[in-house]
Amino acid sequence: AQKVTQAQTEISVVEKEDVTLDCVYETRDTTYYLFWYKQPPSGELVFLIRRNSFDEQNEISGRYSWNFQKSTSSFNFTITASQVVDSAVYFCALRNIKAAGNKLTFGGGTRVLVKP
Amino acid sequence: GAGVSQSPSNKVTEKGKDVELRCDPISGHTALYWYRQRLGQGLEFLIYFQGNSAPDKSGLPSDRFSAERTGESVSTLTIQRTQQEDSAVYLCASSPTSGPSGANVLTFGAGSRLTVL
Repeated sequence: AQKVTQAQTEISVVEKEDVTLDCVYETRDTTYYLFWYKQPPSGELVFLIRRNSFDEQNEISGRYSWNFQKSTSSFNFTITASQVVDSAVYFCALRNIKAAGNKLTFGGGTRVLVKP
Repeated sequence: GAGVSQSPSNKVTEKGKDVELRCDPISGHTALYWYRQRLGQGLEFLIYFQGNSAPDKSGLPSDRFSAERTGESVSTLTIQRTQQEDSAVYLCASSPTSGPSGANVLTFGAGSRLTVL
């Protein structure tokens, strides 16, 4: 079985503050992919990043950065200098490569509210 | 098409009625997924298609739920005898393939919001 936990249900920050979203996952498989998706108020999920279990190199893309730590089964996401347009629900997801159906298992999501 | 298209965007129905939700995936995408998102919650997997076969139906919550897909194109999710607990946004996603790599990124539609009165 696989499980993704996003303990933070909602985070509220003031514009320009940094915000870190936690993601902890459980899986018995040794090979898997982790994803982050953003769901703005329009409702359509937008893909942000994918990371495979062999690649623990952290990544920075503009104001976004990701910290993958296999030892603690965590894949955290940080928005630096947040902007109002970052307000959305962010989902962490896991896919086991060998899993039947190749389905993505999602966490419950973290709602980020960036106030001007 | 350019993106995943879902219809209707909103559907209000009475308890006990049947509803059909439609998904048009991105052209050429062989894999298609249905997810359900209840208000304020995460996404629950319902069913996955590879081509027009459904290797994984494990997420369908009851026999009132069914889905089909025509070739590698349109999919329809049908809910019979709707109940109030079926109220949710039903999201469709597609990807180029669902082969063993697991790396493929799902592209989601905007969803169909179902309200059962």
